[in-house]
Amino acid sequence: DVKVTQSSRYLVKRTGEKVFLECVQDMDHENMFWYRQDPGLGLRLIYFSYDVKMKEKGDIPEGYSVSREKKERFSLILESASTNQTSMYLCASSFGGLGNTIYFGEGSWLTVV
Amino acid sequence: GQQLNQSPQSMFIQEGEDVSMNCTSSSIFNTWLWYKQDPGEGPVLLIALYKAGELTSNGRLTAQFGITRKDSFLNISASIPSDVGIYFCAGQPSAASKLTFGTGTRLQVTL
Repeated sequence: DVKVTQSSRYLVKRTGEKVFLECVQDMDHENMFWYRQDPGLGLRLIYFSYDVKMKEKGDIPEGYSVSREKKERFSLILESASTNQTSMYLCASSFGGLGNTIYFGEGSWLTVV
Repeated sequence: GQQLNQSPQSMFIQEGEDVSMNCTSSSIFNTWLWYKQDPGEGPVLLIALYKAGELTSNGRLTAQFGITRKDSFLNISASIPSDVGIYFCAGQPSAASKLTFGTGTRLQVTL
């Protein structure tokens, strides 16, 4: 079975803090993704990576950065957290072409106060 | 970017009823996927469709890839309480494109 693991399920951070969300997959997938999920807005792509050290902006990259130093690990970074970044964050991975089936982690609930 | 309209936004049904939901795109897609998200969890793939007209079942779930290639449908027969959750469609216009997700259909099942 594909396993995508997000290190933190629930986080509470203060405005202005630097926040790291970590994700690891165990299926040797080339592609990794970070999505944000908000009520009524569905899943919105923040960043994705199709190879180690490669990254591409998604639909809503502002306020975020990412790091992919190893194939299995993809980190989402909030340089200075703001209250409008309170959300559910979902990491995902897939093989090869960008349209291949995406497998999701369990999600990280981030609250910025 | 691509747009997917998913409807209905929410449904309240009684246990045992059948459910239908659909997704429509503004352009032709060559792949449609349906995911379910249980409360507090990440989405899990239910059904994948790769060919226009394709009809695929997974237990009580049946999904179809529309003939026009601009829509897809998901049906759930004889709903049960564990069907509760959010159902997402996702599609892509080509193999080189990213998946686009619908806004989800929230399903509530009452006893």
